Amino acid sequence: SQKIEQNSEALNIQEGKTATLTCNYTNYSPAYLQWYRQDPGRGPVFLLLIRENEKEKRKERLKVTFDTTLKQSLFHITASQPADSATYLCALARRGTGFQKLVFGTGTRLLVSP
Amino acid sequence: EPEVTQTPSHQVTQMGQEVILRCVPISNHLYFYWYRQILGQKVEFLVSFYNNEISEKSEIFDDQFSVERPDGSNFTLKIRSTKLEDSAMYFCASSLPGRQRGSPLHFGNGTRLTVT
Repeated sequence: SQKIEQNSEALNIQEGKTATLTCNYTNYSPAYLQWYRQDPGRGPVFLLLIRENEKEKRKERLKVTFDTTLKQSLFHITASQPADSATYLCALARRGTGFQKLVFGTGTRLLVSP
Repeated sequence: EPEVTQTPSHQVTQMGQEVILRCVPISNHLYFYWYRQILGQKVEFLVSFYNNEISEKSEIFDDQFSVERPDGSNFTLKIRSTKLEDSAMYFCASSLPGRQRGSPLHFGNGTRLTVT
């Protein structure tokens, strides 16, 4: 069966450190993968998109890698701040399913302490 | 920055009643979506809408659900006869067409639907 897995346990780190979140998938051939941030009671907010032919994408303190052989994406936040505390969701779009039928993971909660 | 707005923020209804959830997508976006999130669970795709018709729907989106873009700005989700298990946060989203597939989705802050 198809699965998207993110660490269900919260990730606790200290301010200034690099947070690394993992997204693993099985039985998918995604055309691209997106990362979103979700705060409690709010809608997801788009952060980064990486396509199947790309290995790495960066945006300010954020970096995403995509390894289609390992079927894994890593999401890094460098120099983390307490304001980065939120739940981070990865989402896949399967090839051939049409526009934006995203399949989301359960998300990983990040807590950055001062 | 333009945003997707949803109303109401919270809707309480009795089982069997009809509800309409409303959304105003970003004005120059062409693709519209409804997703839902049951408390503590994943965000799930319901339906996508383009060029005034449904382009894709999930198995959750059965005959009790319908979508409409009545006036060129609003985008609505109707649930005809609500069930207890329809209680969830419903998110509207919109996106631009991209040169390649995969334009970011812009989500609203959701309508929390509580069915009693």
